[in-house]
Amino acid sequence: AQSVTQPDIHITVSEGASLELRCNYSYGATPYLFWYVQSPGQGLQLLLKYFSGDTLVQGIKGFEAEFKRSQSSFNLRKPSVHWSDAAEYFCAVGRDSGGGADGLTFGKGTHLIIQP
Amino acid sequence: KAGVTQTPRYLIKTRGQQVTLSCSPISGHRSVSWYQQTPGQGLQFLFEYFSETQRNKGNFPGRFSGRQFSNSRSEMNVSTLELGDSALYLCASSPGQGPTQETQYFGPGTRLLVL
Repeated sequence: AQSVTQPDIHITVSEGASLELRCNYSYGATPYLFWYVQSPGQGLQLLLKYFSGDTLVQGIKGFEAEFKRSQSSFNLRKPSVHWSDAAEYFCAVGRDSGGGADGLTFGKGTHLIIQP
Repeated sequence: KAGVTQTPRYLIKTRGQQVTLSCSPISGHRSVSWYQQTPGQGLQFLFEYFSETQRNKGNFPGRFSGRQFSNSRSEMNVSTLELGDSALYLCASSPGQGPTQETQYFGPGTRLLVL
């Protein structure tokens, strides 16, 4: 069964500083990988996704992520964070079950705090 | 296009009762998935419906059930509520047939509190 690990429960970053959120996955084949963001009391918003091809993917709000097969990682990065980026970030892995959406497996999330 | 909508947004029930949650997917989307989010267990997949049929199911007891209507709207039912069912229930829709690569778009969720 696939699994996702987000090693950092909380991360604090100063506004304007760079950000990297870590995500490691366990899956036998090439996974489908996603990063979602959740603001308090809200649903999940998709930031970016990786299916195949270029291992560096660009997302919304200035985020990017790099798929590294050798490290089973899909880390999320942003060069300069804004106070509005404070939220919960989830990495998720999906798989091609051949029969439709087999349910995403999510990590436990990383809570991002932005210091002024 | 309107996003995924879920009703009600908040719900309070007592143990032993049952509850029905509703989800309207993005127009044109035929697949609807349900997830439970709790502080302890995180986000967990409940089930997925496509064309009124349950295609995939997570590891939840039979008290959790769902259905999908011909207009792709979906309902989720939880019978004999337990305190541990208190959670945020998220619905996600995706365009349709195919593997998980079809990106899932999430609604705002229904927050259920069981007393």
